Amino acid sequence: EAGVAQSPRYKIIEKRQSVAFWCNPISGHATLYWYQQILGQGPKLLIQFQNNGVVDDSQLPKDRFSAERLKGVDSTLKIQPAKLEDSAVYLCASSRDLTYEQYFGPGTRLTVT
Amino acid sequence: ELKVEQNPLFLSMQEGKNYTIYCNYSTTSDRLYWYRQDPGKSLESLFVLLSNGAVKQEGRLMASLDTKARLSTLHITAAVHDLSATYFCAVDNSNSGYALNFGKGTSLLVTP
Repeated sequence: EAGVAQSPRYKIIEKRQSVAFWCNPISGHATLYWYQQILGQGPKLLIQFQNNGVVDDSQLPKDRFSAERLKGVDSTLKIQPAKLEDSAVYLCASSRDLTYEQYFGPGTRLTVT
Repeated sequence: ELKVEQNPLFLSMQEGKNYTIYCNYSTTSDRLYWYRQDPGKSLESLFVLLSNGAVKQEGRLMASLDTKARLSTLHITAAVHDLSATYFCAVDNSNSGYALNFGKGTSLLVTP
């Protein structure tokens, strides 16, 4: 069974530029999560989808971050415009359903200069 | 808000020694997880603990859960260099939609 796929793996941008990350969850997984992991900290939830609906986006900075999950499968996370403090690893995770264990992708490391 | 605290945050230990990492959480949780993260890598699931008194062991690592004390421990027995990594505990509950709330992590370095 293929794992969670993410791309790109690394991205360097200048502040005020925009960037997008892509996540392909494990086939058949209904729940998808985006976490932000700043260096030296534990991951923090940004947004959680159940199929193509949002379950929780309370910690998503909506003035600059947006996310969508079209057709309840792949998801994209966008930052526009980026700030220096957005430098982090963005982890995507998926689970069969809300109560099932999450599986993490390899992450996208973003550096904002 | 579900808060998770780990200690210590940094741990340097000699090979062959034993040590314990502690994880406290603030409110009732459904499950407690332990993850390992190597530098530049993603999270690797080690243990999922579901109920009070649960104990799981894999190799030199043993995790336990006391839901009454809201405490989990990760015990390392006879440490080896390959265990050097950052260890995170995380909890979830239905109030958070089962999203994970992570501690800050314990950075473990095992030296000869």
